[in-house]
Amino acid sequence: EAGVAQSPRYKIIEKRQSVAFWCNPISGHATLYWYQQILGQGPKLLIQFQNNGVVDDSQLPKDRFSAERLKGVDSTLKIQPAKLEDSAVYLCASSPLGLVGGQFFGPGTRLTVL
Amino acid sequence: DAKTTQPTSMDCAEGRAANLPCNHSTISGNEYVYWYRQIHSQGPQYIIHGLKNNETNEMASLIITEDRKSSTLILPHATLRDTAVYYCIVRGSAGGTSYGKLTFGQGTILTVHP
Repeated sequence: EAGVAQSPRYKIIEKRQSVAFWCNPISGHATLYWYQQILGQGPKLLIQFQNNGVVDDSQLPKDRFSAERLKGVDSTLKIQPAKLEDSAVYLCASSPLGLVGGQFFGPGTRLTVL
Repeated sequence: DAKTTQPTSMDCAEGRAANLPCNHSTISGNEYVYWYRQIHSQGPQYIIHGLKNNETNEMASLIITEDRKSSTLILPHATLRDTAVYYCIVRGSAGGTSYGKLTFGQGTILTVHP
């Protein structure tokens, strides 16, 4: 079974530029999550989709971050404009529909904002 | 979501059992205990979860106390590849704004040495 795919793996940009990350979840997984992990900290949930609807985006900085999951499959997370404090690893995870069961994480995208 | 408390770091000799404790004294009756680990430069990996009963799978065993206020993750024969950050998480219950949400803390850095 293929895992969660993410691209790019690494990205370096200057502040005020825009950047987008892509995630393809495990086939058949209805729920998709985006997390931000700052160095030395645990991952923090940014947004959770169930199919193509948003379940939780309470910690998403909506003035600069946006995410979509068209057709309920893959997803993109965008930052516009980026700030220095956005430097982090952005992790995508997916899980089958239902509360119980693990989330399966991708390898992440490491973003460096200069 | 109930908060968890874990030791910052632990050491274990290769081949011995690693016992990782977690306190979650404010856990609610319908909240599950989840364990994930994160090996350096990788996304978190689901290990195991439980509600009341002890659980075992091919990776680990989870022992939950009768009052559910604490739990222990057991890696029966630790190897060097088990060196990672281990996160104990109490998962939000259905129906609230934190539906299915994982809130990661700092975790325990487990170092397995030869």
